Amino acid sequence: NAGVTQTPKFRILKIGQSMTLQCAQDMNHNYMYWYRQDPGMGLKLIYYSVGAGITDKGEVPNGYNVSRSTTEDFPLRLELAAPSQTSVYFCASSDTSGGYNEQFFGPGTRLTVL
Amino acid sequence: GQQLNQSPQSMFIQEGEDVSMNCTSSSIFNTWLWYKQDPGEGPVLLIALYKAGELTSNGRLTAQFGITRKDSFLNISASIPSDVGIYFCAGRNYGQNFVFGPGTRLSVLP
Repeated sequence: NAGVTQTPKFRILKIGQSMTLQCAQDMNHNYMYWYRQDPGMGLKLIYYSVGAGITDKGEVPNGYNVSRSTTEDFPLRLELAAPSQTSVYFCASSDTSGGYNEQFFGPGTRLTVL
Repeated sequence: GQQLNQSPQSMFIQEGEDVSMNCTSSSIFNTWLWYKQDPGEGPVLLIALYKAGELTSNGRLTAQFGITRKDSFLNISASIPSDVGIYFCAGRNYGQNFVFGPGTRLSVLP
C-alpha cells in the first residue's frame, strides 16, 4: 500500500493564480481530510469528506474548494491564490469502521504565494 | 475555534534521558491521538487512546488518557537521536472532527 499520496510536493504561485492539490489513498478509507499547517500552529481543518459525493466545510474553508468523485481521490482547489494561503497542506484519511478513527497523513504540499 | 494547549512548547534533552509532555483541552474528549512529525514529512500516528485512564505503550513511548478526559500525556523513555521532531496531540469528541495542538518540538543532544 502506498497509503496517502500528495502531489505536488512544492509549488510557488503568483497572487490570483489557481491550482489543484492532488490527494489519493489506496486504503479504501471512507473519510478524507484537508488540513493546513502554519508555522508554530496546529493543523487546521479546511474541508473533509465522509464518502464519495459528500463534502463539508471545516474550520478554515474560505478560498478553497473540494470534490470527492471517487473513494480514492480528494483534490483541493485554490481559485484565486492569496499570500495568506502560503502554508503546508496535508491530506489525511481514516476508516471509521469499528469506532476507530486514526487519521493517516500524506507527506504534504508546501505552497508559497508571492 | 477550539484549541488544545501543549507543553512544553520545545525542549532540549540529553540522549538517554526520559521525556514528558502533555496536552490539555477546555472540552472533554473521547479520543486522544499522539503524532510525530519529522522535518518535511507528514505526521505519523504513534498512539491512540479511547478510554479515560487508559495507559498505552508503543516501544519506548507511553501515553495516557487523563482521567478528567481533558488531558493526555506522552512519555518517551531513554531518548535517542531519532526521537527528534515535533509531537502533536489531537483530540475529539463523538461526532466531531479532531482538534490538533500546536506541537512540542523535541531536540536530543548527543
